[in-house]
Amino acid sequence: TQLLEQSPQFLSIQEGENLTVYCNSSSVFSSLQWYRQEPGEGPVLLVTVVTGGEVKKLKRLTFQFGDARKDSSLHITAAQPGDTGLYLCAGLVRAGGTSYGKLTFGQGTILTVHP
Amino acid sequence: DAGVIQSPRHEVTEMGQEVTLRCKPISGHNSLFWYRQTMMRGLELLIYFNNNVPIDDSGMPEDRFSAKMPNASFSTLKIQPSEPRDSAVYFCASSLSGSRQPQHFGDGTRLSIL
Repeated sequence: TQLLEQSPQFLSIQEGENLTVYCNSSSVFSSLQWYRQEPGEGPVLLVTVVTGGEVKKLKRLTFQFGDARKDSSLHITAAQPGDTGLYLCAGLVRAGGTSYGKLTFGQGTILTVHP
Repeated sequence: DAGVIQSPRHEVTEMGQEVTLRCKPISGHNSLFWYRQTMMRGLELLIYFNNNVPIDDSGMPEDRFSAKMPNASFSTLKIQPSEPRDSAVYFCASSLSGSRQPQHFGDGTRLSIL
């Protein structure tokens, strides 16, 4: 069973601060996804990283996939109250010989950005 | 465009009762997933369908849980009999075929078993 550990579990910061969320595993993933979830809604995909060492930027969010494809990080610059939510990483493992990929989710990081 | 539609949004029932959760995937998507989310265990995959056929049900916790997909536009997750430990938010997601296709989640059904 592939396990993804996210840290920190909770993060409470002031508007304008920077933050980093980490996602670590001992398993190798074919790709890794980051989702954001708001209360009462389902997770929404933010980004998929595929290549070891890959860095993707989405406005103030920077996502990095570790060289060994076992870990990932999400960095938010100048956080805003609208960034508040649950951030989930999910690693994709492909079933051999099929196009099926199973997502394993981390426990999530609850981010609160205070005005 | 309509996203994944789940019903009901909330369900409160007594233990021992049968519970049926419903999902309408995005039109044209041929992969459908059922997940369960709890504080303790996070988001867990229960079952995956491709072209209406169950492909991976290794996450289904017990025989009390069953899922069907009679056609491309409808799926159900049934719990019979329900137990308090089944209380959770249940999500349905759909995607195009292919492991890297993004999954689109519904807004979930919050289930409380008393």
